[in-house]
Amino acid sequence: GQQLNQSPQSMFIQEGEDVSMNCTSSSIFNTWLWYKQDPGEGPVLLIALYKAGELTSNGRLTAQFGITRKDSFLNISASIPSDVGIYFCAGFKETSGSRLTFGEGTQLTVNP
Amino acid sequence: DGGITQSPKYLFRKEGQNVTLSCEQNLNHDAMYWYRQDPGQGLRLIYYSQIVNDFQKGDIAEGYSVSREKKESFPLTVTSAQKNPTAFYLCATQEWGSNSPLHFGNGTRLTVT
Repeated sequence: GQQLNQSPQSMFIQEGEDVSMNCTSSSIFNTWLWYKQDPGEGPVLLIALYKAGELTSNGRLTAQFGITRKDSFLNISASIPSDVGIYFCAGFKETSGSRLTFGEGTQLTVNP
Repeated sequence: DGGITQSPKYLFRKEGQNVTLSCEQNLNHDAMYWYRQDPGQGLRLIYYSQIVNDFQKGDIAEGYSVSREKKESFPLTVTSAQKNPTAFYLCATQEWGSNSPLHFGNGTRLTVT
């Protein structure tokens, strides 16, 4: 089920700006995943995090696994028009085995 | 992901008809999943299968059925009992035995009129 609070729901930014979005939960997670979905396509994995405190980068993207294991954030630096899309956080809860929990998504719009 | 094929990309059906969505994978992944996505919303789990000949209901299984006769294939049937079937359907796979990420196909958009 969807028990992750992802914010913001949407963002409208200018090209070149930095972006930050996050996911929080009352549950403890073992793994955090960040996906991007383009219109009409399936989500694509951006970053996977497996340890509390872990900070991982993928190009202009940086994500962190929160120390409390109940949250994660994703930053995008120097945004470009092709960053447009929906960003989803997802995670495996400590108690849910292989069932992945998804956030509701953040719709990002980048104005050239 | 290139190793997961969903077909067709677009599907149109009349109300009252059953329809089957195809999902094939060549990643040799053990687990397969079906999700439903409605406009502006996140993903909701319909069914999942961890091994051949076994599958479990997800959060919104009513009106859907699946089979897992082969490791490579996990077709989803949307039955006439599904009251609001128009949606974007996503298939995903996962290596079993760890909290490994799910890999998604490119989806099938089903429209029922």
